[in-house]
Amino acid sequence: DTEVTQTPKHLVMGMTNKKSLKCEQHMGHRAMYWYKQKAKKPPELMFVYSYEKLSINESVPSRFSPECPNSSLLNLHLHALQPEDSALYLCASSQDLRTLNTGELFFGEGSRLTVL
Amino acid sequence: ELKVEQNPLFLSMQEGKNYTIYCNYSTTSDRLYWYRQDPGKSLESLFVLLSNGAVKQEGRLMASLDTKARLSTLHITAAVHDLSATYFCAVAFNFGNEKLTFGTGTRLTIIP
Repeated sequence: DTEVTQTPKHLVMGMTNKKSLKCEQHMGHRAMYWYKQKAKKPPELMFVYSYEKLSINESVPSRFSPECPNSSLLNLHLHALQPEDSALYLCASSQDLRTLNTGELFFGEGSRLTVL
Repeated sequence: ELKVEQNPLFLSMQEGKNYTIYCNYSTTSDRLYWYRQDPGKSLESLFVLLSNGAVKQEGRLMASLDTKARLSTLHITAAVHDLSATYFCAVAFNFGNEKLTFGTGTRLTIIP
């Protein structure tokens, strides 16, 4: 199984809503990532979890709250978002960051978020 | 400041022609990745280049890495329409604390 599965694929929410994006992988990877991608732009790193601990937060606003309940799951909780937060949110995973490995990231299909 | 630049940003080429996409980066790294993205879709890993002089080929695509010049190339041979997509290079600057920085992307359109 070489898949990273993201749900939902599409999400429309109002600025006062609370929602969550979910990501799951069963490749035994111990690093998981959230990226944000605006149209026609490269992906931008938001968060990195290594061994279920947050290792990188790229100064993301607190209205985005990541959670890693276990080594296979990664959530992104959304609250009080702004229309400019509308984007494709990509989850990715890779092998253990602390050992010699390729560092290759495997991406999910993404969750397309629209904030009204 | 870490920068990863690609050129060209847009490339329109005829089927059967050859072309090269360039990826320059600003800080020492010996690990570089190429990804493909179709419109509205996720990123598909194409190549992982882990050392100076690394060359990898898959079908009509060939990627190389020159860490001294801080340059990677993605060469397309005898392009076909199915290769139309956006191509990103991405550079890992900090082994063990992975921060993959993506290039600006090259939107490739193959014209029949």
